[in-house]
Amino acid sequence: GQNIDQPTEMTATEGAIVQINCTYQTSGFNGLFWYQQHAGEAPTFLSYNVLDGLEEKGRFSSFLSRSKGYSYLLLKELQMKDSASYLCAVRPPFSGGYNKLIFGAGTRLAVHP
Amino acid sequence: DTAVSQTPKYLVTQMGNDKSIKCEQNLGHDTMYWYKQDSKKFLKIMFSYNNKELIINETVPNRFSPKSPDKAHLNLHINSLELGDSAVYFCASSQDWQSYEQYFGPGTRLTVT
Repeated sequence: GQNIDQPTEMTATEGAIVQINCTYQTSGFNGLFWYQQHAGEAPTFLSYNVLDGLEEKGRFSSFLSRSKGYSYLLLKELQMKDSASYLCAVRPPFSGGYNKLIFGAGTRLAVHP
Repeated sequence: DTAVSQTPKYLVTQMGNDKSIKCEQNLGHDTMYWYKQDSKKFLKIMFSYNNKELIINETVPNRFSPKSPDKAHLNLHINSLELGDSAVYFCASSQDWQSYEQYFGPGTRLTVT
């Protein structure tokens, strides 16, 4: 089975850096994803990691350690618009034409002035 | 231009009714998905179609029946609605069944009274 854990809520200050952690236990692994979801809106894709290490994309970076079942999303130079939920998702190995994402409950980030 | 669109955005109905939600994508993608996001914000895969063929069918009551008339459309019909069906339903699409990025529609908030 799959189990994905991430903190429920976090707060941070505008201009600061915040790290959102995600741990997972899965019976197989074929990639880890981060999605951003503003309240009342659709999730939007942020990042994808399948190999260990850091992937940087502008102010956002995502890290993966497969041996530890651990990932984090790093947000730099926080802006008020970064207030949103951040969803960690794991993809199990492909099986018979499957491409399924298993989502965690999400971390609600509040950015304050 | 809207990439993934859903109608209606809001749906309020009584228990026992039958309702449909429609989804269309204009991205030329081969694969489409239905997700359910409950009150605890868990986003769970329900179904996936690839080129009009069903490839993912999670443990969903058979009151839920997806239909894909062509690869740009994926509709969801729900029979005999129950209180527990109240949730936000998201449609999504990806280039193909292996693609790591999924594009989500705006969601349909279903309230069953």
